[in-house]
Amino acid sequence: DQQVKQNSPSLSVQEGRISILNCDYTNSMFDYFLWYKKYPAEGPTFLISISSIKDKNEDGRFTVFLNKSAKHLSLHIVPSQPGDSAVYFCAATDYDAGNMLTFGGGTRLMVKP
Amino acid sequence: GAGVSQSPSNKVTEKGKDVELRCDPISGHTALYWYRQRLGQGLEFLIYFQGNSAPDKSGLPSDRFSAERTGESVSTLTIQRTQQEDSAVYLCASSLRRELYGYTFGSGTRLTVV
Repeated sequence: DQQVKQNSPSLSVQEGRISILNCDYTNSMFDYFLWYKKYPAEGPTFLISISSIKDKNEDGRFTVFLNKSAKHLSLHIVPSQPGDSAVYFCAATDYDAGNMLTFGGGTRLMVKP
Repeated sequence: GAGVSQSPSNKVTEKGKDVELRCDPISGHTALYWYRQRLGQGLEFLIYFQGNSAPDKSGLPSDRFSAERTGESVSTLTIQRTQQEDSAVYLCASSLRRELYGYTFGSGTRLTVV
């Protein structure tokens, strides 16, 4: 049973436009969410996170939105750049229960020049 | 060290052989995790070590898989009698127990079973 799902395996966007990556979760105990970015032959690196007490967190070109009632989060990248082309994983945890992250299956983003 | 180090970076082995993968976590990180990513799939949890507590082995796919950790340092993941379906990138990560920014991953070991 996948508790964190990324239903789009891939996404193609034109440079300069907005990229929107989506993630759904089923476990209502999850209260902390993270996005990781992975380039080929490298480990995933932390990108941005959000606590369930917020519905939005912004860091430069990256914004994460959380809709707790829908158990849905999204990552917006504006404007998209070719260097953003990577696989993006969302992850979730029940923060007080420990620090183990449950990952989604990833979305491959391709930003075309 | 400055980051999580994994070795080897690549390993090709014959079906039926045993392999050992090594992870050196960031110094001071009490938590250590092993994940794997098979081709075209997401990150699959394998095992979690936290300090001196008993490890969470709930993600290990079979009894051919085992892992050890020496104190709060090096960990080895052992796969016995490798099968072709074990081919994957094996990722190690470490973190402070309640680190807000999640894990720091190593670059992984790409295992190919032929």
